[in-house]
Amino acid sequence: KNEVEQSPQNLTAQEGEFITINCSYSVGISALHWLQQHPGGGIVSLFMLSSGKKKHGRLIATINIQEKHSSLHITASHPRDSAVYICAVRSQAGTALIFGKGTTLSVSS
Amino acid sequence: DTAVSQTPKYLVTQMGNDKSIKCEQNLGHDTMYWYKQDSKKFLKIMFSYNNKELIINETVPNRFSPKSPDKAHLNLHINSLELGDSAVYFCASSQASSGYNEQFFGPGTRLTVL
Repeated sequence: KNEVEQSPQNLTAQEGEFITINCSYSVGISALHWLQQHPGGGIVSLFMLSSGKKKHGRLIATINIQEKHSSLHITASHPRDSAVYICAVRSQAGTALIFGKGTTLSVSS
Repeated sequence: DTAVSQTPKYLVTQMGNDKSIKCEQNLGHDTMYWYKQDSKKFLKIMFSYNNKELIINETVPNRFSPKSPDKAHLNLHINSLELGDSAVYFCASSQASSGYNEQFFGPGTRLTVL
């Protein structure tokens, strides 16, 4: 079992829909990251958080440390949001990131 | 200005060859990483260097040898390439090696071994 589990694995949506991607992890962490990888392949960091909630534009990330769970929300989704969203954690003892297997989001107009 | 750059972007080579991938960051960060993304898009750490010193060396064949000439560069040399080495390799950097530090990724190098 992977230390970082994401759901769903694949997600399709119509433009304008509210999207939620979930991430659960099994280790104590110092930080949780949400990353975006577009079809062209580059990886961009969306959020890094250790508690509470962060918002950037239409994207919102929340984390519940006690439940070892995080969610990434996209409001008013758009076709340009189509990408793979990856949850990753840095464990308290570790240095590098441990990744989930990603959620492939496809938004159609 | 590109924060983390990798060369080459694509690398196609024959089995048994030796090849290198270069990575440079201009962010002034102390820590650099190499990650491998397999055909199922799963990312996994290979190596991490902090101020030119190796701090993580995951279970990677010793055909893979990282080299950090200075803290802005972390190159990956691969000997005797095998079919299973085909993957996308990402370099990344962060301000420090511990705790709450954002990582910045390079564009990736797609390695295809024939």
